[in-house]
Amino acid sequence: NAGVMQNPRHLVRRRGQEARLRCSPVKGHSHVYWYRQLPEEGLKFMVYLQKENIIDESGMPKERFSAEFPKEGPSILRIQQVVRGDSAAYFCASSEREQGDTQYFGPGTRLTVL
Amino acid sequence: GEDVEQSLFLSVREGDSSVINCTYTDSSSTYLYWYKQEPGAGLQLLTYIFSNMDMKQDQRLTVLLNKKDKHLSLRIADTQTGDSAIYFCAETKMDSSYKLIFGSGTRLLVRP
Repeated sequence: NAGVMQNPRHLVRRRGQEARLRCSPVKGHSHVYWYRQLPEEGLKFMVYLQKENIIDESGMPKERFSAEFPKEGPSILRIQQVVRGDSAAYFCASSEREQGDTQYFGPGTRLTVL
Repeated sequence: GEDVEQSLFLSVREGDSSVINCTYTDSSSTYLYWYKQEPGAGLQLLTYIFSNMDMKQDQRLTVLLNKKDKHLSLRIADTQTGDSAIYFCAETKMDSSYKLIFGSGTRLLVRP
């Protein structure tokens, strides 16, 4: 059984460039969460998606950040015009159902903005 | 607020028991979780407890829940050097998303 997969594992961007982070959930899971972990901190919720729908984006900055989970293919977290403060580890988690179902985490993408 | 609080650091000797503590805020949380993170890695689910339980045991791990005080603890028996990691407590936010609210993590150092 493949777990949650994320790629790339490490991503380096210069200020002003775009970053695209991909997440493939556990097979059969239709609920995806994105979290951000700043250095020496815990994880902070960003966005929750079901297939083709954004359910809760209350933790995502209003500008430059967007997320999608299309009918086919992985979930994408997109950061436009990156700044140094975007440097962090971005984790994706998936669950089979909502209602507080257990979330399984991917290995994360570590974004470094130069 | 939404704070989940943990002590930042714990150091124990190999073979001793470790107890990591956590306080949470949402009395309506149905599940509470413990995750382990090794350096440079993702989060590994260790165990979870349903809010109508007081205790859960899983091999070397024991979770205790005090709902009245909103206090959760994780006890690791016979701690090994491989247990050195950051341990995160998390509660389920009971809203439309059931997102997890994490503490800032407790760094466990196991001395040989």
